Amino acid sequence: DAMVIQNPRYQVTQFGKPVTLSCSQTLNHNVMYWYQQKSSQAPKLLFHYYDKDFNNEADTPDNFQSRRPNTSFCFLDIRSPGLGDAAMYLCATSRVGGADWSFFGQGTRLTVV
Amino acid sequence: AQSVSQHNHHVILSEAASLELGCNYSYGGTVNLFWYVQYPGQHLQLLLKYFSGDPLVKGIKGFEAEFIKSKFSFNLRKPSVQWSDTAEYFCAVRDKGNTPLVFGKGTRLSVIA
Repeated sequence: DAMVIQNPRYQVTQFGKPVTLSCSQTLNHNVMYWYQQKSSQAPKLLFHYYDKDFNNEADTPDNFQSRRPNTSFCFLDIRSPGLGDAAMYLCATSRVGGADWSFFGQGTRLTVV
Repeated sequence: AQSVSQHNHHVILSEAASLELGCNYSYGGTVNLFWYVQYPGQHLQLLLKYFSGDPLVKGIKGFEAEFIKSKFSFNLRKPSVQWSDTAEYFCAVRDKGNTPLVFGKGTRLSVIA
């Protein structure tokens, strides 16, 4: 059974049109992450939530926002997508305090036209 | 800041050949080390991990990795690859304190018959 679910798998949006990507988890993990992965590059951390505490990476553009209304769900909002934002967006979870690792969703591939 | 280097961008091997993928990290404090695999069209999956103890760790599907602290390395090995091992392999490091993963750029492995 899928434990970290991302919707949709593929998203096409117009240049400048706001888009929201969603992530849900059944693991009850307290940490959720959003990564951006471009072709042939390493996943790049955008931000993460430790419970409700939001942690933004210093180089994450303001264009990217996130919401975590509860433990299970986390959203990535791109306010005005540009062509350079086309990428795979990965959601991951982990649990603080144990010898644990990150579980990843299947990703959402975003295309900007 | 922590960084991870994977030396090979694309490796092509024949079936039954031995595999070694290099991974080095930059920060020498206490770290957790991971290898993730991404099969075509699938999500990132944990292959193996090192937290402490025996520096030679065994993972799924016959993979193993050796942590050499003096060399800041965590190389991935498999004695005999199969066609089904064709995938992208990512090395990742997490500094002590459950900070987010830092990924290498990945190595694409292509196994040919």
